[in-house]
Amino acid sequence: DAGITQSPRHKVTETGTPVTLRCHQTENHRYMYWYRQDPGHGLRLIHYSYGVKDTDKGEVSDGYSVSRSKTEDFLLTLESATSSQTSVYFCAISDTGLAETYEQYFGPGTRLTVT
Amino acid sequence: KQEVTQIPAALSVPEGENLVLNCSFTDSAIYNLQWFRQDPGKGLTSLLLIQSSQREQTSGRLNASLDKSSGRSTLYIAASQPGDSATYLCAGRYVMDTGRRALTFGSGTRLQVQP
Repeated sequence: DAGITQSPRHKVTETGTPVTLRCHQTENHRYMYWYRQDPGHGLRLIHYSYGVKDTDKGEVSDGYSVSRSKTEDFLLTLESATSSQTSVYFCAISDTGLAETYEQYFGPGTRLTVT
Repeated sequence: KQEVTQIPAALSVPEGENLVLNCSFTDSAIYNLQWFRQDPGKGLTSLLLIQSSQREQTSGRLNASLDKSSGRSTLYIAASQPGDSATYLCAGRYVMDTGRRALTFGSGTRLQVQP
């Protein structure tokens, strides 16, 4: 398994509170991604990073911000959590590889419940 | 906007049967396509990746094909086993407006192999 950890693995929080999820990798991969997975929607890209302090928005970025101050860490922050942000959040990493495949590897996920 | 579709959403087969999972995509400007497996409550495990210049890839009992002209990919599983029971997701990698690459996921096919 690719060396990707996510913390916390489970979290319950109240509406309106800020929440930060952490993704840590030991593979020294350049690219990191945050997705959310919801029934009926599959996985949707929230934000991604192509290097330290280099981030961009994905398909469903409203209400989320990210930061990457070190290669190994990618943080996802919910500024003010809402019930619609109840979901399972996955971090992924990739790099070009020998054939420039950008093959992605996923972390174990964080289950977030906003009450 | 690229769309990736997987039909059926669920499939149940008896052990030993050969089966095909389908993935279709609307945009033929696909960089590559990746197949994943997801067990309940777990992250995604990469199974196979097919570059746009390739027609198929094989790993053990799995064979994935890619036909850009028809917008289709298939994952063939030979001699299915109960341990193959999981959700299988396909994802197409595209170049976005930013010039960077990202995955667009299908919603997955939930496979149940009956002993």
